[in-house]
Amino acid sequence: KAGVTQTPRYLIKTRGQQVTLSCSPISGHRSVSWYQQTPGQGLQFLFEYFSETQRNKGNFPGRFSGRQFSNSRSEMNVSTLELGDSALYLCASSLLTGGQETQYFGPGTRLLVL
Amino acid sequence: DQQVKQNSPSLSVQEGRISILNCDYTNSMFDYFLWYKKYPAEGPTFLISISSIKDKNEDGRFTVFLNKSAKHLSLHIVPSQPGDSAVYFCAARKDFGNEKLTFGTGTRLTIIP
Repeated sequence: KAGVTQTPRYLIKTRGQQVTLSCSPISGHRSVSWYQQTPGQGLQFLFEYFSETQRNKGNFPGRFSGRQFSNSRSEMNVSTLELGDSALYLCASSLLTGGQETQYFGPGTRLLVL
Repeated sequence: DQQVKQNSPSLSVQEGRISILNCDYTNSMFDYFLWYKKYPAEGPTFLISISSIKDKNEDGRFTVFLNKSAKHLSLHIVPSQPGDSAVYFCAARKDFGNEKLTFGTGTRLTIIP
């Protein structure tokens, strides 16, 4: 079974631009979560989508948004990029069968804002 | 407010010895804990988890211990192997079905051959 895939893997943008990152979950997984990883901050939760609905949201400004499609694929958008948005953005998916679930992570998209 | 803390940013252990990685949390609502391992340029890989109703879970060379009263968990790797060199993150989750994971800042483990 294919793992979580994220595109693109690397991205360079300039301040003020906007960016869209894509995540394809493991087949059959309906929950997709996004995290930001920066040095010294660890992984910070951005938001989670389930059945095309945002179920949970972290403490990030409104410039960070996302959506999920009917096939469970998810996109994350960051508008008006700032230098501090440079980070590794990770997507994770899980099955949610009702037990204790494990999230499986993709390789991430490394975003550099100049 | 860092609700999950890994106070050791790095740890070096001789190959074959035991590696012990520690994690503390402050939120008593957390009821499920996970350890992830991360290599450079890859996403975190799930290693082992433990529910708050248990105090120990074992999977091969990896054992996780949970001390709820102390709000402390630890990951033991025995014996340590060079391939275990990576950054280890502990993570916690509260509420059944809540997928938000709160991560620690990670511990870089280096296994010395």
